[in-house]
Amino acid sequence: AQSVSQHNHHVILSEAASLELGCNYSYGGTVNLFWYVQYPGQHLQLLLKYFSGDPLVKGIKGFEAEFIKSKFSFNLRKPSVQWSDTAEYFCAVRAPGTYKYIFGTGTRLKVLA
Amino acid sequence: EPEVTQTPSHQVTQMGQEVILRCVPISNHLYFYWYRQILGQKVEFLVSFYNNEISEKSEIFDDQFSVERPDGSNFTLKIRSTKLEDSAMYFCASSEGGVTNTDTQYFGPGTRLTVL
Repeated sequence: AQSVSQHNHHVILSEAASLELGCNYSYGGTVNLFWYVQYPGQHLQLLLKYFSGDPLVKGIKGFEAEFIKSKFSFNLRKPSVQWSDTAEYFCAVRAPGTYKYIFGTGTRLKVLA
Repeated sequence: EPEVTQTPSHQVTQMGQEVILRCVPISNHLYFYWYRQILGQKVEFLVSFYNNEISEKSEIFDDQFSVERPDGSNFTLKIRSTKLEDSAMYFCASSEGGVTNTDTQYFGPGTRLTVL
């Protein structure tokens, strides 16, 4: 069965620190990969997505993610976080030919000013 | 930027009661979805809907659940007889293209359902 793992459940960083959030998936075939962010009291917003091509994907707000097929990973990175990045981050996978997204458990990021 | 909207933001109900959660998808989107997130757990897929039919559903989506597009703008999730374990955040999503390779789902803010 398809599954998505996010290893860091809670992350606390100071402003200007670098961020890397891990995401691994179990599906063996070609997948679509997504990172969503949920700011407090708001809806899930798409940060970035990978369908094919360049494995380094750039998203909004300075975020990027790298797809490493051999490691079944799609880690999210940001070189310098801001207080406003405090939110919950969700990795999601969709196998082509299906509608459903399979989500990880989410990572709560708190950035200290 | 167009957004998916959901009402109500919070619904409290008694066990055994019927609830209807409402969603207004993005206007040019044709595919609609419901997901739920039980507190502290993963966001889970419930159902997808296209052309007035369910196109895919999970094992969670049993006979107690139904979906409907009653008019040109709303998309609803009905739970016929709520149970305590239905307490969760319910997210609606919509997309343009369904299972095409580049399709992306856009999510609403969620309805928190509390069953007492």
